[in-house]
Amino acid sequence: AQSVTQLGSHVSVSEGALVLLRCNYSSSVPPYLFWYVQYPNQGLQLLLKYTTGATLVKGINGFEAEFKKSETSFHLTKPSAHMSDAAEYFCAVTQAAGNKLTFGGGTRVLVKP
Amino acid sequence: DVKVTQSSRYLVKRTGEKVFLECVQDMDHENMFWYRQDPGLGLRLIYFSYDVKMKEKGDIPEGYSVSREKKERFSLILESASTNQTSMYLCASSLSGTSGYEQYFGPGTRLTVT
Repeated sequence: AQSVTQLGSHVSVSEGALVLLRCNYSSSVPPYLFWYVQYPNQGLQLLLKYTTGATLVKGINGFEAEFKKSETSFHLTKPSAHMSDAAEYFCAVTQAAGNKLTFGGGTRVLVKP
Repeated sequence: DVKVTQSSRYLVKRTGEKVFLECVQDMDHENMFWYRQDPGLGLRLIYFSYDVKMKEKGDIPEGYSVSREKKERFSLILESASTNQTSMYLCASSLSGTSGYEQYFGPGTRLTVT
């Protein structure tokens, strides 16, 4: 069975500081990995995904994530936080041959001016 | 752009009522999903459909049923609503296959059962 753990349900960062959101997964087969963002009162929007190939993946709004198989991690980063980055972020995993996503518990990001 | 729409943004129902949540997607996606979202628990899959009239139970199907009579529409049914079904419900759709197709989400329905 797959599972996803996001360390820290709440993260507070200053505007302009590094954003680092941690995600670890367990999967018995090669995973496909996703990060989604949810702004208040909205559905989820895809930030980026890893399927195969380059392990450093760039997404929208300046976010990127690196797949590290040896660490079973897919941490999300952004060099410089902006006020508009305040949202909840979800990491998710699926098997290469599957269609169902397993989500982590989410991390809510607060950006301080 | 893919669009997934849900019939209501907010819904208030009484215990024991039958509740229908409707979801429509406009991109001819094979797969459709219903999730519930609760604080600290992330999204949990209720039901999944990979074709018209086909459905598969997710992680928490108890107390729910679904219907997919047309490819673009996927309905979630609460046969007899209970207070522990108060939650945010999200619908999603995706293409089928092995290429890591992402899911596209609707805006959600916040259901309160009193």
